[in-house]
Amino acid sequence: KQEVTQIPAALSVPEGENLVLNCSFTDSAIYNLQWFRQDPGKGLTSLLLIQSSQREQTSGRLNASLDKSSGRSTLYIAASQPGDSATYLCAVFGGGGNKLTFGTGTQLKVEL
Amino acid sequence: KAGVTQTPRYLIKTRGQQVTLSCSPISGHRSVSWYQQTPGQGLQFLFEYFSETQRNKGNFPGRFSGRQFSNSRSEMNVSTLELGDSALYLCASSLAQATYEQYFGPGTRLTVT
Repeated sequence: KQEVTQIPAALSVPEGENLVLNCSFTDSAIYNLQWFRQDPGKGLTSLLLIQSSQREQTSGRLNASLDKSSGRSTLYIAASQPGDSATYLCAVFGGGGNKLTFGTGTQLKVEL
Repeated sequence: KAGVTQTPRYLIKTRGQQVTLSCSPISGHRSVSWYQQTPGQGLQFLFEYFSETQRNKGNFPGRFSGRQFSNSRSEMNVSTLELGDSALYLCASSLAQATYEQYFGPGTRLTVT
């Protein structure tokens, strides 16, 4: 059974800092991995999708990497802003079809 | 292009009742998945529909069911509601069977009293 863990569970940083969020999964036989953000009480916003054949994906200030062999992915956020404050979730595709297994999330707070 | 829409956004029901939630995927998307989010269990997969067929089912009791219509819109039904069913129910759509990017709706907040 796939298990996905995110470290740290919570993070508070000053504005402008670069930061790294970690995601690890137990079964390396995944298809793809997707990063999301969730604002309180809201749905999920897709940030990046990394195909299993890719090592990384970039969008603006965000960069996500994937190392299937070690069962790890990282989300790098450059020059953090208060608007980045949210919960960040990673999810892996596996088990056939479009079933996502989600991590436990990292709650990020960027302070002025 | 409009995003994934879910109705209703908020719902309050009492134990023993049943509820139906609706999800309209992004135009052209044929796969719809449902997830339950609670503070204790996080996000858990309920089921996935593609071309009106259930392709995957999570580990939930039979009280949870769903269906998909020919226009790809989907409904999920929970019968005999329990207090523990209180959660945010999220719907996601994607283009096809393969592991395409998932797009989520705003969710339906269900409170069971």
